[in-house]
Amino acid sequence: DAGVTQSPTHLIKTRGQQVTLRCSPISGHKSVSWYQQVLGQGPQFIFQYYEKEERGRGNFPDRFSARQFPNYSSELNVNALLLGDSALYLCASNKPGNTEAFFGQGTRLTVV
Amino acid sequence: EDQVTQSPEALRLQEGESSSLNCSYTVSGLRGLFWYRQDPGKGPEFLFTLYSAGEEKEKERLKATLTKKESFLHITAPKPEDSATYLCAVQSGTASKLTFGTGTRLQVTL
Repeated sequence: DAGVTQSPTHLIKTRGQQVTLRCSPISGHKSVSWYQQVLGQGPQFIFQYYEKEERGRGNFPDRFSARQFPNYSSELNVNALLLGDSALYLCASNKPGNTEAFFGQGTRLTVV
Repeated sequence: EDQVTQSPEALRLQEGESSSLNCSYTVSGLRGLFWYRQDPGKGPEFLFTLYSAGEEKEKERLKATLTKKESFLHITAPKPEDSATYLCAVQSGTASKLTFGTGTRLQVTL
C-alpha cells in the first residue's frame, strides 16, 4: 500500500510569494494533519482536518490556511512568505478512531 | 500546555553498546505517547505508541517503556543502521495534535 504522499518534495520561493503544498493520505485514512519542522527542532502542529472540517489549529498566523477535499487529500497554503517559513512541511494521516499518525516524506520549502 | 523534553540531545555509541534515550513529559490527561525515528531530510517513521504507565513495547533492537512522567527508548546492541534522530511525542485530552520533543540524534559507529 502507498504511504502518505506529498508534493512537491522541494520548493524555492521568494519572500512575499504564496505557496501551496499537497498531501494524499494513506488509503482509508480520513484525518490529515500538517506540521512544520524547522532544522534541529521537532515538528510543530499547524492544522488537523477530518471529514473536510478543521478539527485543530496550532499557533500559526493567519497566513497559513488549509483545506481537505472529498477524497481526503489536503492542501496547505502559505501567503506572504517570510524567510522564517523555510522548513520541512510534513503531512500525517490517521485511520478513523486510531491515534497513530503516519507521516509523508515532507516538502522542503526554502524562502529566499 | 503539553511539554516534552528529550535527553540527551545527541548520543554516540559504538556498535553493540546498549543505551537508553529519555523522554520526560508534562500533560493533562495523557492519551498516548509516541516514538518516531527520523532520517535526515525524511519524514518521521512510526515506531511505538504507549498508552498507560507500565506498558512496554518491543521491535527488533528497540524497547519502549512508559511511566507517569517519562518514557525510555532502550536500544540493545545497536548497529550503524540504527543511526537517526529519535523523536518522542505526546497526545493529550481530546486533541489529536502531537506535541514533539526536539529529538535525540543517535550515531552508531563500527
